[in-house]
Amino acid sequence: DTAVSQTPKYLVTQMGNDKSIKCEQNLGHDTMYWYKQDSKKFLKIMFSYNNKELIINETVPNRFSPKSPDKAHLNLHINSLELGDSAVYFCASSQGLALQSYYEQYFGPGTRLTVT
Amino acid sequence: AQSVTQLGSHVSVSEGALVLLRCNYSSSVPPYLFWYVQYPNQGLQLLLKYTTGATLVKGINGFEAEFKKSETSFHLTKPSAHMSDAAEYFCAVSDQFTGGGNKLTFGTGTQLKVEL
Repeated sequence: DTAVSQTPKYLVTQMGNDKSIKCEQNLGHDTMYWYKQDSKKFLKIMFSYNNKELIINETVPNRFSPKSPDKAHLNLHINSLELGDSAVYFCASSQGLALQSYYEQYFGPGTRLTVT
Repeated sequence: AQSVTQLGSHVSVSEGALVLLRCNYSSSVPPYLFWYVQYPNQGLQLLLKYTTGATLVKGINGFEAEFKKSETSFHLTKPSAHMSDAAEYFCAVSDQFTGGGNKLTFGTGTQLKVEL
């Protein structure tokens, strides 16, 4: 059973298009994340949701809009795609944070987005 | 802000040799530290983590890491490399948020190559 799944695995599209990436976790976790990995493999967080509420919003163009319909899902919609959006996007999840503890993040397999 | 520096973007070892991947961190509060591994075309998998307590942390696949506060380091080691260890390794530090979730700040990664 896949703990964190993403669809699609590969996405090739043209500049200017709008696309969505879906993420689902079956771990019962409260918190979900989106990360972007660029061509040099640098990983940077984009967003985080806790119980369907946005809690982390890094400096990301407003063309990127996350949506969490429920605790188990966090989708990423991208408007007006640009060449620079080409990257691998990873979804992750973790349990909610108690003030002085940490829960590990479980990553999905990634979605390779190529914008032509 | 927290940060992580991984020395050496590429490390090459012979099969059976010691693996040493270096990681130094910067944090204004006691950090939570992690090593993740990424095999080609896959997501990230947690190798090990340090939160509190024992500074020598053992992880999966024979890897371990030692938290050294005085040196602000969290180097990853394995006594004997195996061909299957060839992958990209990421060191990360967490940034505690109240209200749920942690933001992981990743290093730039180290590509480990294992040669016969």
